[in-house]
Amino acid sequence: AQSVTQLGSHVSVSEGALVLLRCNYSSSVPPYLFWYVQYPNQGLQLLLKYTTGATLVKGINGFEAEFKKSETSFHLTKPSAHMSDAAEYFCAVSEKNNDMRFGAGTRLTVKP
Amino acid sequence: NAGVTQTPKFRVLKTGQSMTLLCAQDMNHEYMYWYRQDPGMGLRLIHYSVGEGTTAKGEVPDGYNVSRLKKQNFLLGLESAAPSQTSVYFCASSYVSEVAFFGQGTRLTVV
Repeated sequence: AQSVTQLGSHVSVSEGALVLLRCNYSSSVPPYLFWYVQYPNQGLQLLLKYTTGATLVKGINGFEAEFKKSETSFHLTKPSAHMSDAAEYFCAVSEKNNDMRFGAGTRLTVKP
Repeated sequence: NAGVTQTPKFRVLKTGQSMTLLCAQDMNHEYMYWYRQDPGMGLRLIHYSVGEGTTAKGEVPDGYNVSRLKKQNFLLGLESAAPSQTSVYFCASSYVSEVAFFGQGTRLTVV
């Protein structure tokens, strides 16, 4: 079955610094890949997704992610962190059968 | 447009009690899911449904049952609650295997 590994349960950056959240996946077929954000006491919101086509995907709030098949990775980046980016981020993979699997999550802290 | 609505938002159960969590979506989605979220483990799929009258098991189905009698509703049942089922439960819905819309979650504590 497909699976996702998020490297680092907690990432801390300074405001204005680069944000890099790492995600590696395992899938037996071409995957669909997703990043979600969760603010405290809320449900998940979709940041961006990769299904087919361009491997660099742009999402909301200035985030983007690049699908690298050779590295089985889908890392999330943002050039300049903002205080409002502090949240928990989840990477997810689906093999087109609606059985979406999530990573354990990475908590992002942004220091002033 | 309400999206995905979960009822209740909070609940405390005693071990052995039963309860049903209700999920309702107003987007005419075929696919609906129940996840549980535990610290350090992300979201794990309990059961899902690909259409009215159909259900399927996910990663962690034991101790739970589901029903999809109406397209807009997906019910999650706990027949005999156990402390290990203390968790935050999320319902989600989607068109196909792409975007999933999540509810706000139900925080369940089993004592």
